[in-house]
Amino acid sequence: DVKVTQSSRYLVKRTGEKVFLECVQDMDHENMFWYRQDPGLGLRLIYFSYDVKMKEKGDIPEGYSVSREKKERFSLILESASTNQTSMYLCASTLGQGARNEQFFGPGTRLTVL
Amino acid sequence: SQQGEEDPQALSIQEGENATMNCSYKTSINNLQWYRQNSGRGLVHLILIRSNEREKHSGRLRVTLDTSKKSSSLLITASRAADTASYFCATDAGSNTGKLIFGQGTTLQVKP
Repeated sequence: DVKVTQSSRYLVKRTGEKVFLECVQDMDHENMFWYRQDPGLGLRLIYFSYDVKMKEKGDIPEGYSVSREKKERFSLILESASTNQTSMYLCASTLGQGARNEQFFGPGTRLTVL
Repeated sequence: SQQGEEDPQALSIQEGENATMNCSYKTSINNLQWYRQNSGRGLVHLILIRSNEREKHSGRLRVTLDTSKKSSSLLITASRAADTASYFCATDAGSNTGKLIFGQGTTLQVKP
């Protein structure tokens, strides 16, 4: 079974802190994604990556950056956390490009910025 | 931009009843997928239906797709309390990049 793990289930940070959210998948998937999920807004794509060292902006990249130094790991970085970044963050991966691939999700990180 | 819109936003039924959730989308698609999310957890893939398919079954799940109306429905038959979750449709918006666009979801409560 594909396993996608996220470094923390719950995280509390202060405004202005630099925050790292880590995601690791163990099935050699090429594509990895970061979403945030907010009530009434569904899942919104922040960034995604097709391969090591490659990244593309999603729908809401402002205030975030990403890093993919190894194929299995995709990190989301909040350079200076703000209260409006309080949210549930979900990481997902999928095998290669192509329209028929299901995405496998991690358990999520609920981030609170005070 | 929001591609999939689910209807209803919330649904409450008794165990044993059927639950139907609908999804509408705006652009052409290659396929449409349905996911489930238990409270506070990640999403789990349920079923994928291709644009040239009209109906697909998986256990107690039945998915239909009407590309002329740009809509899909998910039917859960003989619901169980364990089916309580949020259900999301997702489309590729005609892209082959692997990106998906998710709707806002339908929250289903199945009462024992």
